[in-house]
Amino acid sequence: NAGVTQTPKFQVLKTGQSMTLQCAQDMNHEYMSWYRQDPGMGLRLIHYSVGAGITDQGEVPNGYNVSRSTTEDFPLRLLSAAPSQTSVYFCASRPDRGPNYGYTFGSGTRLTVV
Amino acid sequence: GQQVMQIPQYQHVQEGEDFTTYCNSSTTLSNIQWYKQRPGGHPVFLIQLVKSGEVKKQKRLTFQFGEAKKNSSLHITATQTTDVGTYFCAGRQGGSEKLVFGKGTKLTVNP
Repeated sequence: NAGVTQTPKFQVLKTGQSMTLQCAQDMNHEYMSWYRQDPGMGLRLIHYSVGAGITDQGEVPNGYNVSRSTTEDFPLRLLSAAPSQTSVYFCASRPDRGPNYGYTFGSGTRLTVV
Repeated sequence: GQQVMQIPQYQHVQEGEDFTTYCNSSTTLSNIQWYKQRPGGHPVFLIQLVKSGEVKKQKRLTFQFGEAKKNSSLHITATQTTDVGTYFCAGRQGGSEKLVFGKGTKLTVNP
């Protein structure tokens, strides 16, 4: 059981470039979310999904796209990177039933946009 | 929109002292969760509170959910150096899956 796997761990992009942050979980969790973490700002929700084929916007969705074609994968796409998107990105998943409804987080992707 | 405020932002204690962080929401929450993030790490789920006035304990950690379900607290008794990290509360409204985090309280412990 690998849990939630995020790739890459580190990435440097130039302004205007696009890229996809990968997230995969092997726990058959229905719910998945993407957060960004900036110093002093806590964790802010970008997009989330309640199951394959279903996604919705969080608090800060602008500049990001997501899709959920399978239960396991929930990639985050940056359409045209901006310096304001420099951040640590966390993907998380949780089960839809059982006593533990908390999110399991991946180890994060540290993104720098120059 | 839903906002979750957390205080204090920073707390420095001597080992053995108690620690409390408080979480307040602008709206009534259906549930609240607490997470711990060690320096350089990722958030780790600690607990979820659902019922009004609920109190749960995990060894030296005590979690409370307010009667109005708009506030919560985490109290650590006799802190240890292993308690170092940032503690986040996160709340949900109604049946929404949106989990909104507070900005966290960073705890440092002087041995």
